[in-house]
This record gives sequence, structure tokens and C-alpha cells, in this order.
Amino acid sequence: QVQLQQWGAGLLKPSETLSLTCALYGGSFSGYYWTWIRQPPGKGLEWIGEINDSGITNYNPSLKSRVTISADTSKNHFSLNLNSVTAADTALYYCARGGGVVIVPGSIYWFDPWGQGTLVTVSS
Amino acid sequence: EIVLTQSPATLSLSPGERATLSCRASQSVRSYLGWYQQKPGQTPRLLIYDVSNRATGVPARFSGSGSGTDFTLTISSLEPEDFAVYYCQQRNSWPQTFGQGTKVEIK
Repeated sequence: QVQLQQWGAGLLKPSETLSLTCALYGGSFSGYYWTWIRQPPGKGLEWIGEINDSGITNYNPSLKSRVTISADTSKNHFSLNLNSVTAADTALYYCARGGGVVIVPGSIYWFDPWGQGTLVTVSS
Repeated sequence: EIVLTQSPATLSLSPGERATLSCRASQSVRSYLGWYQQKPGQTPRLLIYDVSNRATGVPARFSGSGSGTDFTLTISSLEPEDFAVYYCQQRNSWPQTFGQGTKVEIK
């Protein structure tokens, strides 16, 4: 069974860098996109960005200047760095398998499964 | 950016009733529209992909329809475990976007 397990610091001060890592268990890194999504407390879902197995990345323009997504395929890990955080970045951060604006149908492009989520709070 | 607008914001229904949730896109997303279910304190779960395909393990009472800009998620007969928030999502263009969610609550 494919599972994603994520970890990283949960409490940051303004201007610090958010760093999260997501590990894949029980599946292949190859052939998929790997995505980060966030959800502010009590609010909806926001796509942050994605990376594919070739290292190609796409980012939400609203965050692009501050976001880096990278992958270590040898470890089946991918990571999120978001710099210069503010209180507005306080959210539950999820990793997920899937993504890609690929003009063919298929379940592999949708977000499934998801990591367990990491609550990141930005506070001075 | 494609904006997805879900309606209603809240749907109050009783178990056994039919739920009809709407998702409207600001421009065509062709058939690249999916639905997720999120229960309190849980991660979102993929229900429907590419408009009308049920994800693995999703009961047949969930169905999706639509095309272009107007989409519907239907739950034919609500079970107690179906009361949750439902999000639509498009992957037709970057950035991929989600609707704001519809909460299906017990009446």
C-alpha cells in the first residue's frame, strides 16, 4: 500500500524558512508528479507546487518567489522550502502523490494518497 | 487562474436523502475536474477524477457529471459517514485550483 509520511518544523518565527520533507513508502517515485498543498485553519485547499520524477517543477504564482520543491529519488523523498514566512503562511501542509497539467485522463494525475499533514504555525 | 465556485456553501440533509453539489469553473476545464471528501481532522480523500470516474474503494452512491464549466457531485442516498466537506479541483491549467468547499451537514 502506497503511503506518504511527512515531517518538518511546526513552529517558525516570521522571516524564517519553512522546510518539510515527504517520504514515499510502498510505491515507485517514477512516473508521477509529487505535490505540496496547504490548508489554513478552517479554510480551503491551496496548491503550492509540484515536482515530477524528472525534476521538473511548477509553482503557484502567488508563492513562486519564495518556494522551492526538490526531490531525492534515491531516497523516495521530496521536500518543500518556503522562505520569508509570515503569519499568513500558518497552515496545515500536505504532501500528495499526483498533479501535473497533462492533457490525458488518468487517476495518476489526481491527489492520492496524501501525507498525514503537518501544522506549521508562524508566530513571533 | 481558473476560479472554481462551489454551491451551496452548506447543504443540510438527513441520512437517506440525495445530495447534489455544484462546482462551476470560471473557464472551461474540459474533463479535468475531480472531487475530494474531507472529514474533520482527516486528510482529503479522492472520490472522483476526470469528472465521473470513481477512485478505488469509493462507493457507487457517489457519482460525478458535467463538462466544460459546470459539474455536479451526487450522493444518491446519504450515509452517516458521508457528512463532510467536499472540494472540487481542476488540473486543466496551472495553477491547479480548488473550490472553496461545500459542507454537507446533518439536518
